[in-house]
Amino acid sequence: DIQMTQSPSSLSASVGDRVTITCRASQGIRNDLGWYQQKPGKAPKRLIYAASSLQSGVPSRFSGSGSGTEFTLTISSLQPEDFATYYCLQHNSYPPYTFGQGTKLEIK
Amino acid sequence: EVQLVESGGGLVQPGGSLRLSCAASGFTFSSYSMNWVRQAPGKGLEWVSYISSSSSTIYYADSVKGRFTISRDNAKNSLYLQMNSLRDEDTAVYYCARGSLAYCGGDCYPFDYWGQGTLVTVSS
Repeated sequence: DIQMTQSPSSLSASVGDRVTITCRASQGIRNDLGWYQQKPGKAPKRLIYAASSLQSGVPSRFSGSGSGTEFTLTISSLQPEDFATYYCLQHNSYPPYTFGQGTKLEIK
Repeated sequence: EVQLVESGGGLVQPGGSLRLSCAASGFTFSSYSMNWVRQAPGKGLEWVSYISSSSSTIYYADSVKGRFTISRDNAKNSLYLQMNSLRDEDTAVYYCARGSLAYCGGDCYPFDYWGQGTLVTVSS
């Protein structure tokens, strides 16, 4: 099984900050990775697919990069609505599909 | 507009059974694989099960293998999860999520749409 190690597990930041979240795969997964945002009581929402492609309707302050085993999600300038939990998901080798452990982004 | 609406959750005793449903609309359901994903209270996301567009290929997480059964009815645009021998640790919100288009080749981007989830509570 492919393990996805996501870091940090939590992060405090201020509106306007630039933040980066990392996911590391236990083996190469090409660019078969998505990033998701989840707010309390809501379903996950995909932000990025194919590691770096922006989902339609998602603000351009979100970006993804990486290939192989190392991936990053960057929010260029945090907005109040961005405080949420973020997950990566690999779909290269399955079963099982595997998620990162999540990063809770909180207001400083 | 793609919509996925889960139903069937509730309170069940350990050892009991429950059947979840997911009603799909806004896309050609029979052309897509589908998945169930769950989230225990305060925890992360866990993939549970996959079914291909034609039901020919089915996968389960080890944690539910032998107890859960995924199925679909393409004529009714519906996905199901039959859950038997339920345990306390199965308590979670269960989401259905759209998979990839059949024969997507190298351009497969599953888990693009999710339902709102249905809560399953296993407790005596």
